[in-house]
Amino acid sequence: EAGVAQSPRYKIIEKRQSVAFWCNPISGHATLYWYQQILGQGPKLLIQFQNNGVVDDSQLPKDRFSAERLKGVDSTLKIQPAKLEDSAVYLCASSLGPGLGTQYFGPGTRLTVL
Amino acid sequence: DAKTTQPPSMDCAEGRAANLPCNHSTISGNEYVYWYRQIHSQGPQYIIHGLKNNETNEMASLIITEDRKSSTLILPHATLRDTAVYYCIVSEHGSGNTGKLIFGQGTTLQVKP
Repeated sequence: EAGVAQSPRYKIIEKRQSVAFWCNPISGHATLYWYQQILGQGPKLLIQFQNNGVVDDSQLPKDRFSAERLKGVDSTLKIQPAKLEDSAVYLCASSLGPGLGTQYFGPGTRLTVL
Repeated sequence: DAKTTQPPSMDCAEGRAANLPCNHSTISGNEYVYWYRQIHSQGPQYIIHGLKNNETNEMASLIITEDRKSSTLILPHATLRDTAVYYCIVSEHGSGNTGKLIFGQGTTLQVKP
C-alpha cells in the first residue's frame, strides 16, 4: 500500500514570496490533515478536510494561508506572502475518516523562508 | 494545548526494554490514548492506541492505569532504530468526533549501544 506522498520535499524562498505544497493521501482515505511543525516542537494542526469539505481550520492563519481539496483526493496548501516565521516542516496526514483512529503521515516539506 | 505530560528525554540501552511514561490526568471517558513516534527527518508514525485495557501489537505494548490518568509505552527490546521522539496524545474516537491530534513536546528516546 502506497503511503502519503508530498512534494516538494524541500523549498527555499524569500519572504513575501508565495509557495505551494502538494499532498496525495492514501487511496480511500476520506480525511486529510495539514500540520505545521516548527523546529523543536510537535506538529500543530492547520486544517482538516473530510472529503472536499473543511472540518477544522481554526488554527490556519487565513490572511496568508489557504488550502483546498477540490476533488476529495489531492490537496494543496499555499502560503502567500510568506514570512520568516513560516519556516517549518509542513506535514500532510490522512485517515479513513474523522475519529477513526490512526493517522498516516507523509515525509513532510521543509520550508525555509529567507 | 496538549492534555498530556511526558519527560523531555530518556535513555535506554540497546536490547533492554524502554518504558516511556505519560500523564493524562484530565482524560475524559471517550478519549483514547495514542502513541506516535517521529524519527529524525520523517513524519510521525502511529504506534498503538487504547481506551482502558492494555494493548499489544508488533511494535509495542501500552499499559493504562485503572484510573486512566497515566499510561506507559513499552518497547520490549529497544534497538538503535527506535531512537526517536515519542508523543503521547489523548483524542476522542468514533463517529461524530474529529479525531484531532494535539501534539505536545514528546519524549526524546535515545537508545545507546
